[in-house]
Amino acid sequence: GENVEQHPSTLSVQEGDSAVIKCTYSDSASNYFPWYKQELGKGPQLIIDIRSNVGEKKDQRIAVTLNKTAKHFSLHITETQPEDSAVYFCAAVDSGGSNYKLTFGKGTLLTVNP
Amino acid sequence: EAGVVQSPRYKIIEKKQPVAFWCNPISGHNTLYWYRQNLGQGPELLIRYENEEAVDDSQLPKDRFSAERLKGVDSTLKIQPAELGDSAVYLCASSPGTGYGYTFGSGTRLTVV
Repeated sequence: GENVEQHPSTLSVQEGDSAVIKCTYSDSASNYFPWYKQELGKGPQLIIDIRSNVGEKKDQRIAVTLNKTAKHFSLHITETQPEDSAVYFCAAVDSGGSNYKLTFGKGTLLTVNP
Repeated sequence: EAGVVQSPRYKIIEKKQPVAFWCNPISGHNTLYWYRQNLGQGPELLIRYENEEAVDDSQLPKDRFSAERLKGVDSTLKIQPAELGDSAVYLCASSPGTGYGYTFGSGTRLTVV
């Protein structure tokens, strides 16, 4: 089955700095990679996703890059703000087959200090 | 549009007692998932439904866990009897059935004492 590794487990940055979270996956059949933000007491919220036919995707201050050869993908947050503080999860799924199971990384606790 | 609705938000029960969680997915989403999230971990899939059919329940501890999705809409996840190790957040999610567009509910935090 799929295995997703996520680093770092905790990340502390100053407001305005950039934050980068990296993930690797094991199943070459995985072709959809979403990122979720989870605030305390809430369920994961999709913030950006990327499909395997794209190398990079950007949405305002958030961007995701994908390297299929190396089987890794990264989340980049620029100009961080205190409200970006949360736990971020990467995930991978083979949406082309019959298995739509999301396999999550263990999460990164991001703290943005004012 | 209402998101995925789960209830209750919190539940505290004694071990060996039964407990049930309810989920109402986004309207039109054929695929429904139950995930369990242990403290400090990412969610892990318990069961996936396509309409009313459970198509992947390989991670569901069937000796004590059961689930149903009547009429292909709402779903209930039950634990009987609960054990201390079942303490976790139980998340429900739904998607249009294409593997994309997962939406999670806020979850039910279960504490077994």
